[in-house]
Amino acid sequence: AQKITQTQPGMFVQEKEAVTLDCTYDTSDQSYGLFWYKQPSSGEMIFLIYQGSYDEQNATEGRYSLNFQKARKSANLVISASQLGDSAMYFCAMREGLNAGKSTFGDGTTLTVKP
Amino acid sequence: GAVVSQHPSWVICKSGTSVKIECRSLDFQATTMFWYRQFPKQSLMLMATSNEGSKATYEQGVEKDKFLINHASLTLSTLTVTSAHPEDSSFYICSASGYNNSPLHFGNGTRLTVT
Repeated sequence: AQKITQTQPGMFVQEKEAVTLDCTYDTSDQSYGLFWYKQPSSGEMIFLIYQGSYDEQNATEGRYSLNFQKARKSANLVISASQLGDSAMYFCAMREGLNAGKSTFGDGTTLTVKP
Repeated sequence: GAVVSQHPSWVICKSGTSVKIECRSLDFQATTMFWYRQFPKQSLMLMATSNEGSKATYEQGVEKDKFLINHASLTLSTLTVTSAHPEDSSFYICSASGYNNSPLHFGNGTRLTVT
């Protein structure tokens, strides 16, 4: 069975600094996709970044980058130059295979950016 | 990007009544949609996978007679909470996926309060 572990229930970061949110996963599949989503207090889920299991390079999207270490089964999210609007809950998720299968979500990390 | 519309965004109903929540993919065809339930400050719990033209697949522990899911077209899936009780009060969120490596596209969620 697939499992996603986010060990940081809450994190604080100073505005303009970088922060790393941890995510480890467990799967027996060779093909899988890893995703990070942001959920502000308003409730909507916002897709941030994707990493495929066969991707050799770490994914980057603007201020977001994914530190993918396949052997360690980790997919940490790095947010650079934190902004107050980054305060939200962040979920790491994994999809079975590479098709439109269901996703497994971690318990989430609440990030608070301090001014 | 792909848009998923969920309606209503919030609903208050009396115990014993039924509530229908709609999830529409506005600019793409979604053969598969997912329904999640989320308690405050917790992760998304997958309730069921909704497949167009066939019966939904429910996760273990989810009562299929209580949470009726219909996916009659490629753009619409509905979740009906039948004979709602206060313990059904929660945040319900739907998502749809394209193919291959595309992320889940989420509706904005429905906050259900049963009095």
